[in-house]
Amino acid sequence: DVKVTQSSRYLVKRTGEKVFLECVQDMDHENMFWYRQDPGLGLRLIYFSYDVKMKEKGDIPEGYSVSREKKERFSLILESASTNQTSMYLCASSPGTGGRSEAFFGQGTRLTVV
Amino acid sequence: GENVEQHPSTLSVQEGDSAVIKCTYSDSASNYFPWYKQELGKRPQLIIDIRSNVGEKKDQRIAVTLNKTAKHFSLHITETQPEDSAVYFCAASWSFGNEKLTFGTGTRLTIIP
Repeated sequence: DVKVTQSSRYLVKRTGEKVFLECVQDMDHENMFWYRQDPGLGLRLIYFSYDVKMKEKGDIPEGYSVSREKKERFSLILESASTNQTSMYLCASSPGTGGRSEAFFGQGTRLTVV
Repeated sequence: GENVEQHPSTLSVQEGDSAVIKCTYSDSASNYFPWYKQELGKRPQLIIDIRSNVGEKKDQRIAVTLNKTAKHFSLHITETQPEDSAVYFCAASWSFGNEKLTFGTGTRLTIIP
């Protein structure tokens, strides 16, 4: 069973803090994604990575950066948290090769910036 | 980049009736179209997907249809049950190999007993 695990379920941070959200997958997937989920806006892609040390901007990368030093781990970094980054953050991974495309999601991190 | 529009945003149907959710996509290069179901407080999970070389796919009470010419695809749920109540997301993927999934804005489906 594929497991995508996010380091925190709930997080409260102060404006201006540097915030790290961690995601680990155990299925040797090539692709990893960070999405942000807000009511009425669906799942918006922040960044994705298709290989170690490779990253591509999604639709809303401003204010975020990512790191993928190991295949199983994909980190989302908020350089200086702001209140408009209060949201649910979802990590996902997918195989990337072999014809299988299903994305598996983590349980989500609800981040509140005060 | 890809843009996926999804309608309606909310849908209520009587138990036992059918539900249809529609999505359109903008990039004709997209070739993979999954549907995800997200129950309250849970993570999204894949329920059905279709590739561009197929027009329709069925799995028990759910089916997906794809019209490549019109660039739209639909989710059909028949004989709806209370456990079908959830938010449903469509998505489209346009990167070959490195599959960047672009999602629609979601449909909240409520089944009325």
